[in-house]
Amino acid sequence: GQGVEQPDNLMSVEGTFARVNCTYSTSGFNGLSWYQQREGHAPVFLSYVVLDGLKDSGHFSTFLSRSNGYSYLLLTELQIKDSASYLCAVRDLGTYQRFGTGTKLQVVP
Amino acid sequence: EAAVTQSPRNKVTVTGGNVTLSCRQTNSHNYMYWYRQDTGHGLRLIHYSYGAGNLQIGDVPDGYKATRTTQEDFFLLLELASPSQTSLYFCASSEGQGAYEQYFGPGTRLTVL
Repeated sequence: GQGVEQPDNLMSVEGTFARVNCTYSTSGFNGLSWYQQREGHAPVFLSYVVLDGLKDSGHFSTFLSRSNGYSYLLLTELQIKDSASYLCAVRDLGTYQRFGTGTKLQVVP
Repeated sequence: EAAVTQSPRNKVTVTGGNVTLSCRQTNSHNYMYWYRQDTGHGLRLIHYSYGAGNLQIGDVPDGYKATRTTQEDFFLLLELASPSQTSLYFCASSEGQGAYEQYFGPGTRLTVL
């Protein structure tokens, strides 16, 4: 079947890094997006990947492996304010994205 | 920057009640979406539209109707609300087909007693 899977929770230390994983299975693949959602707020777009490899965007980087149905969002030099939920959304051959349940990242001092 | 607004922000109704959630976007986007967000399920697409008068079903359309009256306005209708429809509802918009970046409204929290 089709699905987008993410771990529920992740904890990392301020100043280090965090890797948020996303695995998916779809009937086709037309790109994967990452969103940040702070508690009580709407999701905000972060990044989009459609080609394999690492896409470095500074504080946020994304990796994609289409053959493995896998992506991750890498946050470096973590700050307390990076604490939020991170949502992965996959677009198949249709016209809309399917979201994972999100990973709640807690950054601790 | 795209602006998406929703009203009301909070709504309480009773089982069997009639509810309309409103969404307006001011960036001339073609696509608009209605999602519900629940713990353990994440964001699930209810309906979407690619223009005035158009409606497409998403993954969880049962119990919901929607109508796109103009390019700016998209409404979600619950004609016989049930407690299972208690949720946080988000509207979003995006540019043409295949757009990967969606702009979300602030959400409407609906409680059905």
